[in-house]
Amino acid sequence: GAVVSQHPSRVICKSGTSVKIECRSLDFQATTMFWYRQFPKQSLMLMATSNEGSKATYEQGVEKDKFLINHASLTLSTLTVTSAHPEDSSFYICSASRSGRYNEQFFGPGTRLTVL
Amino acid sequence: SQKIEQNSEALNIQEGKTATLTCNYTNYSPAYLQWYRQDPGRGPVFLLLIRENEKEKRKERLKVTFDTTLKQSLFHITASQPADSATYLCALGDRGSTLGRLYFGRGTQLTVWP
Repeated sequence: GAVVSQHPSRVICKSGTSVKIECRSLDFQATTMFWYRQFPKQSLMLMATSNEGSKATYEQGVEKDKFLINHASLTLSTLTVTSAHPEDSSFYICSASRSGRYNEQFFGPGTRLTVL
Repeated sequence: SQKIEQNSEALNIQEGKTATLTCNYTNYSPAYLQWYRQDPGRGPVFLLLIRENEKEKRKERLKVTFDTTLKQSLFHITASQPADSATYLCALGDRGSTLGRLYFGRGTQLTVWP
């Protein structure tokens, strides 16, 4: 149980376009979902935390107008990278938890974004 | 500034030995700490959680300790196997968050050779 999927797994786009990444909890209801970004050999950097039906809480330094997060249901959250630029190229990973602060997070397989 | 440091980028050990990974932190006061395993090109997988009032946790061949005075956690894999080769991440649980926000270290890449 506790499987999280992400789609797409890889995406290549031109500079200036927008890219949407989906994160789904397949067999449980995720009260909270998290979005991370990871550069090669770097740690996972938390970008934002989202609860179903409410606005996402962004970490300091993350532009909320550039990284749009929608958590429309208990099983789906989307991250849209708007007007992507080469420096946005990274590995984006989502995670989901059932509820509460002590619960483990279940991670998706990640999305490799390359902006040309 | 806040820092989470994992002892080394890479650790190489022989099969059967015990691997010990270190996670040190500064300017954090985590309510709990978690360890994850990450394989190349994949998302992390949860291994263990330890709370601030716990000294030690075990799960099969894994053991984690948490010393809030030293601001350090140690992660041990006993009787290591080549299949244990991966990157191991420590993550600190944000005390001020009821939603379970985590802050990750950079990870230690463990290689177990036969």
